[in-house]
Amino acid sequence: SQQGEEDPQALSIQEGENATMNCSYKTSINNLQWYRQNSGRGLVHLILIRSNEREKHSGRLRVTLDTSKKSSSLLITASRAADTASYFCATNTGFQKLVFGTGTRLLVSP
Amino acid sequence: GAGVSQSPRYKVAKRGQDVALRCDPISGHVSLFWYQQALGQGPEFLTYFQNEAQLDKSGLPSDRFFAERPEGSVSTLKIQRTQQEDSAVYLCASSDRDGVSYEQYFGPGTRLTVT
Repeated sequence: SQQGEEDPQALSIQEGENATMNCSYKTSINNLQWYRQNSGRGLVHLILIRSNEREKHSGRLRVTLDTSKKSSSLLITASRAADTASYFCATNTGFQKLVFGTGTRLLVSP
Repeated sequence: GAGVSQSPRYKVAKRGQDVALRCDPISGHVSLFWYQQALGQGPEFLTYFQNEAQLDKSGLPSDRFFAERPEGSVSTLKIQRTQQEDSAVYLCASSDRDGVSYEQYFGPGTRLTVT
């Protein structure tokens, strides 16, 4: 079963705008990871944030984690058409497997 | 370098047939995972290997599903007597550590359609 929900389910923006997607989960975690999936490149790891971290940056990506609210957000700044994809959060509870959310479909129009 | 590869990329099976899906992980990766992704959903964990040992098979939906990794590299996911509800994309992932707190590298998946 899925760990939690992602919000929104779908997001449509123009190139250059920022995109924010949120993830809520249900249980205590060791870390939370964000993945991107598109038909061309499959499922690709974007960023990992540990449970004792609150914010992390990687290029145009910014991830926040609030363990008290069991939620995370992914911000993509200055979006590009190539960012069009589905984005999934995935939690790791200290065991090896990842538990994925339901995903956000992002469409970036030129 | 070479990533995770899976074959076949597409498989159509008639209900009741057996299928075998292959995963070639990144060379040297210790951990190997299988996930099932239904249309419009996130991947769901099936099973995990550390080298040749299957340490977690809690996600396998029924005893029709069987996975092996006999030499600690290539893995095969076998589904016996396929049912329509088995239609999904089957993803394989590998990691060069024990899997905890590290990213997983995913293959392109095998899309299984059971008719």
